[in-house]
Amino acid sequence: QKEVEQNSGPLSVPEGAIASLNCTYSDRGSQSFFWYRQYSGKSPELIMFIYSNGDKEDGRFTAQLNKASQYVSLLIRDSQPSDSATYLCAVTGATNKLIFGTGTLLAVQP
Amino acid sequence: NAGVTQTPKFRILKIGQSMTLQCAQDMNHNYMYWYRQDPGMGLKLIYYSVGAGITDKGEVPNGYNVSRSTTEDFPLRLELAAPSQTSVYFCASSYSTGPYNEQFFGPGTRLTVL
Repeated sequence: QKEVEQNSGPLSVPEGAIASLNCTYSDRGSQSFFWYRQYSGKSPELIMFIYSNGDKEDGRFTAQLNKASQYVSLLIRDSQPSDSATYLCAVTGATNKLIFGTGTLLAVQP
Repeated sequence: NAGVTQTPKFRILKIGQSMTLQCAQDMNHNYMYWYRQDPGMGLKLIYYSVGAGITDKGEVPNGYNVSRSTTEDFPLRLELAAPSQTSVYFCASSYSTGPYNEQFFGPGTRLTVL
């Protein structure tokens, strides 16, 4: 079992729809969870982080964490073509190092 | 602030050659990291540093070496390049470590070994 798992996609959504990106992790001791966005040929940039169970909202982005189910998600409301990118889930493992998933490719269709 | 900078942006090496990938940050971060990203894969940690003079291995350190003589700079050395080292290399830095570890990434170096 991979430490951090994501569906590679592509996830295709129409413009204006809600995109839902999911991530599961194996280490129950993980304490912090990050979502990075990576455009093709560019470096990852941090979108959101979440530490506590529940939802955290920032503009059009909402991160959701469920530690009991070892599940973290990212919702993007009113998706725009500029949101088309690979979204990387990262989790702080037992050694406090970031463990990255392989990413989900999101394609927002105009 | 320039943030995290990396040079070169692109490089082609022949098998057996050596090179140093440069990384610098101007955010006064103590913690710095080197990752590699292969196509369709997540980032894998090569080496990291918790401060000047202190480095440690990550998940995939074989074939690489690092040094950290200053807070700002964290070069990655490839000795005897092999085709398996063809990848995109990202340097990152963070203010803290531990569970609240927000890392900031440089633009990357795309390396091809032929």
